[in-house]
This record gives sequence, structure tokens and C-alpha cells, in this order.
Amino acid sequence: QKEVEQNSGPLSVPEGAIASLNCTYSDRGSQSFFWYRQYSGKSPELIMFIYSNGDKEDGRFTAQLNKASQYVSLLIRDSQPSDSATYLCAVKDYGQNFVFGPGTRLSVLP
Amino acid sequence: EAQVTQNPRYLITVTGKKLTVTCSQNMNHEYMSWYRQDPGLGLRQIYYSMNVEVTDKGDVPEGYKVSRKEKRNFPLILESPSPNQTSLYFCASSLAGYYNEQFFGPGTRLTVL
Repeated sequence: QKEVEQNSGPLSVPEGAIASLNCTYSDRGSQSFFWYRQYSGKSPELIMFIYSNGDKEDGRFTAQLNKASQYVSLLIRDSQPSDSATYLCAVKDYGQNFVFGPGTRLSVLP
Repeated sequence: EAQVTQNPRYLITVTGKKLTVTCSQNMNHEYMSWYRQDPGLGLRQIYYSMNVEVTDKGDVPEGYKVSRKEKRNFPLILESPSPNQTSLYFCASSLAGYYNEQFFGPGTRLTVL
């Protein structure tokens, strides 16, 4: 069974700090990797995606991918209370189906 | 506006009464999927479809049916709902290909009494 794992949290960081969210996946055939943010009771919304090894930056967000280690991470710089949400890691497998991790709950303390 | 729509948004029903939750997208997406989300369990995939007339089971398909007769629509059918199907349901769609994101509908909150 293809698995995507994340620490469930909650991860608490002070306002202005860097939040680091991690995700590992079991299927080496996975092709692309997505980070979604979900507020309670709302639908997930895409933050960013990555498909090549290395770093990808978009504003305060940086995604990092290491396919050899089957590891993807999301860094949030200058964390704000509005970043408090659940962050879902999703992997698109070789068959083009999405597999989601359980999510990490982030709490940014003012 | 490009979007995924779901109806109804909220539904309270009773055990055994058949229901259908509709999902429609206007982005000409090939891929569509249904998820349920329960506290502490994340998003769990029920069924997905790669294109018209092509559907596959996800992780938790028991008690659900789907059909994909048209590209834009992907209804979720509960033939005989039970209380353990009380959940928040999301429909999502995506273009085919590895580098396309999935867009989510607003969700349907279902309560089965």
C-alpha cells in the first residue's frame, strides 16, 4: 500500500519563526509532490508543488524534495497566526492518482 | 469562474435512505476523486476516475458507488447510508499529467441518523 506519512502535530511556533513541516512517502515511482493548506471545515487549497530534487521558493514558502530519501518538506518563514492550519502533503503516483498524508496541524502563537 | 461544485453542502438523513451527492467541474478535467474526512483521520479516498467510464476504488470504497458518464460530473451514491458514513465529503478534480494540481469542491457535510 502506498503511504504518505506526516507528523500529526500540533506543531507550535512563535510568530515570526520558521515552521518546518515534513513528509515521507513509500512509493519510489511518485512523480510530483504537493502541499495543501486546510483551515478547519474548509476545503484544502494548494500552497505549492515540486517535482524536481532541490528547493523551490514562493514568497515565504519553500518546498524541498529529496527523491533518494523519499522526503519532502515545507518551510514557512516569518510565520503568522493566519498560517495556523493543517498542512497536507500529497503525492501523485506513477498511475497519476493522488495519495494524501494525514496532515500536520500548525499553530503559530502571537 | 473555474470551479468544482458540490450539492448539497449540508445534508441530514436517516439510515437506509438512498442519497446522491453531486459533483461537477467546469475545467475539462480528466481526473476526479471523492474523499471523506473525519477528525484525526485526514483525507481518505473513496473512489477516483481517470476519465469517462473509468473508475477505481480508493482506500475506503465500501458503502459507496460512483459513476462517470460525463466528463464534468462525478456523483457519489450512498445506496443505504449508515451512521458511520457521517462525515465531511470533498470532491476534487485535476487535469491529467503528473504536474497538475487537484482542485477541491467546498465540501458536503453529511449526517446520517
